[in-house]
This record gives sequence, structure tokens and C-alpha cells, in this order.
Amino acid sequence: TQLLEQSPQFLSIQEGENLTVYCNSSSVFSSLQWYRQEPGEGPVLLVTVVTGGEVKKLKRLTFQFGDARKDSSLHITAAQPGDTGLYLCAGFPAAGNKLTFGGGTRVLVKP
Amino acid sequence: SQTIHQWPATLVQPVGSPLSLECTVEGTSNPNLYWYRQAAGRGLQLLFYSVGIGQISSEVPQNLSASRPQDRQFILSSKKLLLSDSGFYLCAWSALLGLGNTIYFGEGSWLTVV
Repeated sequence: TQLLEQSPQFLSIQEGENLTVYCNSSSVFSSLQWYRQEPGEGPVLLVTVVTGGEVKKLKRLTFQFGDARKDSSLHITAAQPGDTGLYLCAGFPAAGNKLTFGGGTRVLVKP
Repeated sequence: SQTIHQWPATLVQPVGSPLSLECTVEGTSNPNLYWYRQAAGRGLQLLFYSVGIGQISSEVPQNLSASRPQDRQFILSSKKLLLSDSGFYLCAWSALLGLGNTIYFGEGSWLTVV
């Protein structure tokens, strides 16, 4: 059982549609991060959320950290083919300095 | 600015041969260093992490080992590779921060054991 559970595992949508990816845990995290990864490359950091209830926006991407700091979501508005990739959530547990990853959500945006 | 680089980018090795993947970080001092392995299209599994020279913590029992001979150098090794060691290996670093700690990844190394 993974400490961070991502859902769905795979998402295929048409260009212009909206999508939401979820990252859930029963544990508290001091911070949560979202990454996007292209095939054959390392993950690239999109955002870090630290405060419970925090909402951050990055152009068409909206990230939210749950009030209890146990979950997070990524919402993409009007998805574009360039949003295609593997989205990974990761967090530092409240006690510890080891980043823990979710299983990833593969997003495919069709033109 | 800080940079992280790992090599080689791809490697094809026969079963039973040794392995050495190298990672270096520039532009920072005393970073936390990490080795992750990623199954195809899935999340990352932490293999080793290091908080200082000569300090290595292993997360999962396996055929691999790690060493940190210098502050900004992290090496992943094996004496005898197994087929199951094939995968995508990622080196990463983070600064010694508390809340909001951010981790940065290298480009990754594809290892195929044949």
C-alpha cells in the first residue's frame, strides 16, 4: 500500500476539456509537490504547497492542499495536447526528510 | 544556480556485470542526495538517500549499493547485475530545509540488463 494514492491512474480527454487529478493519504504531510514528467526525462517540479487549505495557480493549472494536509488536487482548465504527460504528487511526511511519491497519473490530451 | 547531472543516460549491461551510475550537483553545499528507481510510467521508489559524505541510508533491500565520496557526488553501484535491476534510475537533490523542502531531479539513466 502506497503512502500517497493518486487517482485516476490514467486519464484521456479531448483538447479543451477540464480534468482533475487527486492525491490522497491517511498521513499528514509537511508539504506536497506536483511534478510532470515526459518519457525518458526526469520529473520537473510544478508547484509546492505548504499550508493547509492553500491554493496555487500556474496559468491553467490550479493546485490545492487539503485543510488537514493529507490530500491535494491538481485541476487543469481547458487542457491542451502540451499538457500530456505523467503527473506525480510527492510529499514530505510530517516527520522525516524523505520525499514519498504517489503512483502517478498518466494524462493524454487528444487534439 | 544549482544544477544536477547524472550519467550515463543509457546503459545496456549483461547479467552479472558491475554497474556504476554517477551523479553530481553544482551550485550548492551539503545537499541531501537521493537515488530513485521508476517502473515504466509509474511512481518513483526511493532506493537510497544521503545527508552527508559517507552517510548512506538504504530504503529497500536489493542488489544495489550507494556511496557518497564527496559532498556533491553520489554513486549507485552493483557488483553483479540482475535482470530485475533494469529500469529508469533518477538522482535527485534537496537543500537542508524544513517545511516546503523542494527536490530536483537529474535527467535519468536507462539501464537495461540483458
